[in-house]
Amino acid sequence: SQQGEEDPQALSIQEGENATMNCSYKTSINNLQWYRQNSGRGLVHLILIRSNEREKHSGRLRVTLDTSKKSSSLLITASRAADTASYFCAKEGSNYKLTFGKGTLLTVNP
Amino acid sequence: SQTIHQWPATLVQPVGSPLSLECTVEGTSNPNLYWYRQAAGRGLQLLFYSVGIGQISSEVPQNLSASRPQDRQFILSSKKLLLSDSGFYLCAWSAGWNQPQHFGDGTRLSIL
Repeated sequence: SQQGEEDPQALSIQEGENATMNCSYKTSINNLQWYRQNSGRGLVHLILIRSNEREKHSGRLRVTLDTSKKSSSLLITASRAADTASYFCAKEGSNYKLTFGKGTLLTVNP
Repeated sequence: SQTIHQWPATLVQPVGSPLSLECTVEGTSNPNLYWYRQAAGRGLQLLFYSVGIGQISSEVPQNLSASRPQDRQFILSSKKLLLSDSGFYLCAWSAGWNQPQHFGDGTRLSIL
């Protein structure tokens, strides 16, 4: 079954608000990665969090990982219109391959 | 710095025609290379990956094949395209396992 499922499927917020996206998975992981995709473009890597890590930050991005609940969240603080994109979580399992979820479409309204 | 080039950006092909999509990476050696397909509004499906020249692993049985003739070149091919081959094809590289992947800008393939 597909792993790395994001929730919600779509999220619409106002500029300046925070955006939180969640990701769940079913089996053990080596790491979990978050990517952004602007419409019609390739994916851009945001953050990689390893299974022994609980939280990572990069600028306005904060990722948490709870291996006991098999879930991760991506928080974007003080969102901007330029943050409008699809966000994907991808799980690297014991076979070392990435399995992507279907993504969350984030719309930040000016 | 490392860069990845993928071309063409868009391609319209008739059913039954051959296909060749090329991807090259610069600024790194012996990368892992990947081909993904993304259906509209969906996540990515891994098609092929390669850990070295001539080493190709196929993830799903299909009408496509991949080759890695040089260290930083990855080619996706088909002898006869099907309507179901339409989609957005993405090439990516990584420095190894447990590392981020870096994507090209993709090829939008439409089969008529």
